[in-house]
Amino acid sequence: QQQVKQSPQSLIVQKGGISIINCAYENTAFDYFPWYQQFPGKGPALLIAIRPDVSEKKEGRFTISFNKSAKQFSLHIMDSQPGDSATYFCAASISGSGYKLSFGAGTTVTVRA
Amino acid sequence: GAGVSQSPRYKVTKRGQDVALRCDPISGHVSLYWYRQALGQGPEFLTYFNYEAQQDKSGLPNDRFSAERPEGSISTLTIQRTEQRDSAMYRCASSLDSTGPDPLTDTQYFGPGTRLTVL
Repeated sequence: QQQVKQSPQSLIVQKGGISIINCAYENTAFDYFPWYQQFPGKGPALLIAIRPDVSEKKEGRFTISFNKSAKQFSLHIMDSQPGDSATYFCAASISGSGYKLSFGAGTTVTVRA
Repeated sequence: GAGVSQSPRYKVTKRGQDVALRCDPISGHVSLYWYRQALGQGPEFLTYFNYEAQQDKSGLPNDRFSAERPEGSISTLTIQRTEQRDSAMYRCASSLDSTGPDPLTDTQYFGPGTRLTVL
């Protein structure tokens, strides 16, 4: 059973546009929400992460928005660049569980020049 | 420094054979994780170790799957009597120490994976 639901499955955005990926979870024990970026042939790499005590975290062009009451979080990629074309995974874990990650199904982002 | 390495990168085997997949974590990393990733899906947790101790094996699908990390460094995931449904990408990740209080300081670094195909 998938504990983290991710949408959309894929999206295409023009260079300079905004990419938005959404995730939802049911387990209220989750307290760590990372996003991973994966390029073809490579393993996932941590992009940005958030704890539920904040509603937003920004690192460069990447922003996580977190809505604890709705049990949803999202990744915004501002000023999307062709180099951002990749598959993005949201994930969640529980402190004290060794931080084993429950991943969403992934979103393939294509940025058109 | 070197990242997480896995070998072999590709493994093709016949149904019923045993396979052993190897993971070499980042030097000094205490925690090591195994995940399985089906095509078009996110990684799915299998098991993890702190040092040589297997802390959680709740994600292993059945008793044909086992893992070990005897010296607290390299780990081997073994699948006995492989079946076609075992075909997937098997990924290893390591982190500095999952026993710390703040996951924001404990990034999991993933290896390139082993693509297993069972014919």
